[in-house]
Amino acid sequence: GNSVTQMEGPVTLSEEAFLTINCTYTATGYPSLFWYVQYPGEGLQLLLKATKADDKGSNKGFEATYRKETTSFHLEKGSVQVSDSAVYFCALRLNNQGGKLIFGQGTELSVKP
Amino acid sequence: KAGVTQTPRYLIKTRGQQVTLSCSPISGHRSVSWYQQTPGQGLQFLFEYFSETQRNKGNFPGRFSGRQFSNSRSEMNVSTLELGDSALYLCASTRTEGTTGELFFGEGSRLTVL
Repeated sequence: GNSVTQMEGPVTLSEEAFLTINCTYTATGYPSLFWYVQYPGEGLQLLLKATKADDKGSNKGFEATYRKETTSFHLEKGSVQVSDSAVYFCALRLNNQGGKLIFGQGTELSVKP
Repeated sequence: KAGVTQTPRYLIKTRGQQVTLSCSPISGHRSVSWYQQTPGQGLQFLFEYFSETQRNKGNFPGRFSGRQFSNSRSEMNVSTLELGDSALYLCASTRTEGTTGELFFGEGSRLTVL
């Protein structure tokens, strides 16, 4: 079936460290891929997205590239800040599935000053 | 513009009761989706409504139901509550169906079943 697998957390980094959160997927067809972020006590916010192979999504210093050959969509940031502390979710959406997203289990990131 | 609004934000129920949660989408958005978030199962899709019709449904028992009104506001209902229904219920809206557009999430309704 269709699924998303993320690296387990929590991930703890020092400020200005490099961040990678791995995400791989299994899907029929050609899904769109997303990274969402959830800050404490809040709902989910779209961080970035990619809709076809080799697309790179980027926002707020975060980047992820849609790799069809490795079925991956790893999230990276060159220099994390304390304010990046949150839970990050990788998700996919199949064609014509509208509001139905399939989420990974989430990765909690904690950035220490 | 106003975001997705969910009410109530917190509620406590006992086993066997039923609950209704409300979601007001962003103005102009016609699709509303519901998700259940728990520590054990993560984020799971419940159902999606578009123009008052259910478009997609997740793998939840029939105790979970929803509806959408002509103004795109949506409600979900859970009957005969079980302890395992304790969760954060998130609503998301998007402008149209079948697109790659962004889903905008509300802050959720946190349900505790005692």
